[in-house]
Amino acid sequence: AQTVTQSQPEMSVQEAETVTLSCTYDTSESDYYLFWYKQPPSRQMILVIRQEAYKQQNATENRFSVNFQKAAKSFSLKISDSQLGDAAMYFCACWKGSNYKLTFGKGTLLTVNP
Amino acid sequence: EAGVAQSPRYKIIEKRQSVAFWCNPISGHATLYWYQQILGQGPKLLIQFQNNGVVDDSQLPKDRFSAERLKGVDSTLKIQPAKLEDSAVYLCASSWGTAYGYTFGSGTRLTVV
Repeated sequence: AQTVTQSQPEMSVQEAETVTLSCTYDTSESDYYLFWYKQPPSRQMILVIRQEAYKQQNATENRFSVNFQKAAKSFSLKISDSQLGDAAMYFCACWKGSNYKLTFGKGTLLTVNP
Repeated sequence: EAGVAQSPRYKIIEKRQSVAFWCNPISGHATLYWYQQILGQGPKLLIQFQNNGVVDDSQLPKDRFSAERLKGVDSTLKIQPAKLEDSAVYLCASSWGTAYGYTFGSGTRLTVV
């Protein structure tokens, strides 16, 4: 079974500053992908960034970037120049190719202070 | 491209009543998922369909939950009878069956009183 662990239930950051959300995972698969999703109060699960496990290069999407440490099974999300609209629940998730299943962590609630 | 449609958006029922949720996935998506998200937790997979066949329902409480996907398109998830602990958001998602294009609906918030 694969597991995803987010050890920070809540985080806060000042507007325009940088914050890093932590995630560790455990899988025996060789074919897997890692995701960060954002869930605002509207409940819509929004894809923030995706990392293919076979790629060594860390994924980036504008102000969002990841630090993927495959050997350590660590996958952290860095948000630069934080904006008020970044406030939401953030979920780390792992998708495995053997059964197309996506497993989520428990989430981190991010607050952005003006 | 239209997203994953879910209805109703909210539902309040008394315990022991029954309830049904509906999901219309993105056109052409072969794989459909139902997740249960209890407040303060991450989504938990209840059932996974590939076309109209069940791939994984190991986490579905089959004594009270049932789901079907007719003609490999729309899906319904039913709870009968509902318990207080079923209060949660029920999310539907669909994909091509790969890690790409995995799209979620806005969910149904169920409150059992």
